[in-house]
Amino acid sequence: AQSVSQHNHHVILSEAASLELGCNYSYGGTVNLFWYVQYPGQHLQLLLKYFSGDPLVKGIKGFEAEFIKSKFSFNLRKPSVQWSDTAEYFCAVTPPYSSASKIIFGSGTRLSIRP
Amino acid sequence: ETGVTQTPRHLVMGMTNKKSLKCEQHLGHNAMYWYKQSAKKPLELMFVYSLEERVENNSVPSRFSPECPNSSHLFLHLHTLQPEDSALYLCASSQGGSPGLTEAFFGQGTRLTVV
Repeated sequence: AQSVSQHNHHVILSEAASLELGCNYSYGGTVNLFWYVQYPGQHLQLLLKYFSGDPLVKGIKGFEAEFIKSKFSFNLRKPSVQWSDTAEYFCAVTPPYSSASKIIFGSGTRLSIRP
Repeated sequence: ETGVTQTPRHLVMGMTNKKSLKCEQHLGHNAMYWYKQSAKKPLELMFVYSLEERVENNSVPSRFSPECPNSSHLFLHLHTLQPEDSALYLCASSQGGSPGLTEAFFGQGTRLTVV
């Protein structure tokens, strides 16, 4: 079945640590890829997106993600996290050839940053 | 504020009640979506409306009934729900009926508890 997998359900880091959250998808062909973030008590908002071109995508708040087609991966990275990065992070993909496009989300990774 | 407003923010209802969730977007988008967010599960797309016509209905039980009277408003009518329907219900909008091609903007959600 088509799916998006986020391997870590909960990640705990100290401030200034480096972050990498994994995301793998199971579609073949061209896909659009997203990372969304949901801060406590707030709405889902877009961190970054990949449609085509440079596979290294830079987003807001110092986040970046790298699309590796051969690995079906779109991992999210940040070199030095802050306490304010505490949130839930969702990877998402739109499958190719959708008659009515839709985003398929992963189950999310909760990130907790120790001050 | 994302431009997508959901009311109420919290709702507790009995299994025999009838209630409605409301979503309003002020972004001029022509597509609106209902998602269900349950703990430790991927976000589930429930319904998609494009130009006020339902274009996706992802095997959602009939106790959930959407309504889109115009491009700015979306409702989710609820009746005879089950406790497992307790979740966060998210509304989103995008331009073009294709959230995969453009950013989807989310509301803050309605936290529904069925007792």
